[in-house]
Amino acid sequence: GAVVSQHPSRVICKSGTSVKIECRSLDFQATTMFWYRQFPKKSLMLMATSNEGSKATYEQGVEKDKFLINHASLTLSTLTVTSAHPEDSSFYICSASAVLDYSNQPQHFGDGTRLSIL
Amino acid sequence: EDQVTQSPEALRLQEGESSSLNCSYTVSGLRGLFWYRQDPGKGPEFLFTLYSAGEEKEKERLKATLTKKESFLHITAPKPEDSATYLCAVKGGSEKLVFGKGTKLTVNP
Repeated sequence: GAVVSQHPSRVICKSGTSVKIECRSLDFQATTMFWYRQFPKKSLMLMATSNEGSKATYEQGVEKDKFLINHASLTLSTLTVTSAHPEDSSFYICSASAVLDYSNQPQHFGDGTRLSIL
Repeated sequence: EDQVTQSPEALRLQEGESSSLNCSYTVSGLRGLFWYRQDPGKGPEFLFTLYSAGEEKEKERLKATLTKKESFLHITAPKPEDSATYLCAVKGGSEKLVFGKGTKLTVNP
């Protein structure tokens, strides 16, 4: 149980392109989803928290107009990197929690999306 | 500010050679300490949650323990398939997961 699917797994595109990444909870309803960014040999860095039916909460330093998040249903959240540039190249990972009170529940992660901007 | 420090950064073991990974943390109001395993190019895979000092959890060759300042992940008689990066994370009053940088474990046959 608690499977999170992330798509695509890898994207290579030209500078200026917008890229959409999907995160789906396959066997549970996720009221809250999270988007992380991971650099080599670094910690996972939380970018934003996505709540179903409401606006996402972004971490300090993360541009909300650059990284658009939509959580339209209890099983799907999307991250759109708008007008991507080489510095946006990274490994993006989503996670989801299964219950309304997610405080003590583990987050379950997707397999990540490797984004490479040329 | 919640912080997590993992040591060592990398660990090489021979198959069958038991060892421990350390996760030191400072957090305001611990809501949970989480251990994950991450394989190259993949997302973290959930292993354990620990909630209070003295708690222990086991799964196959792995055992996680918790004190007020640190957690240990003990690996008994590891096999090559245990090779991965092990991540520790804490959740405090801010409700956000704060991760350490991980320990990269390599188990040689």
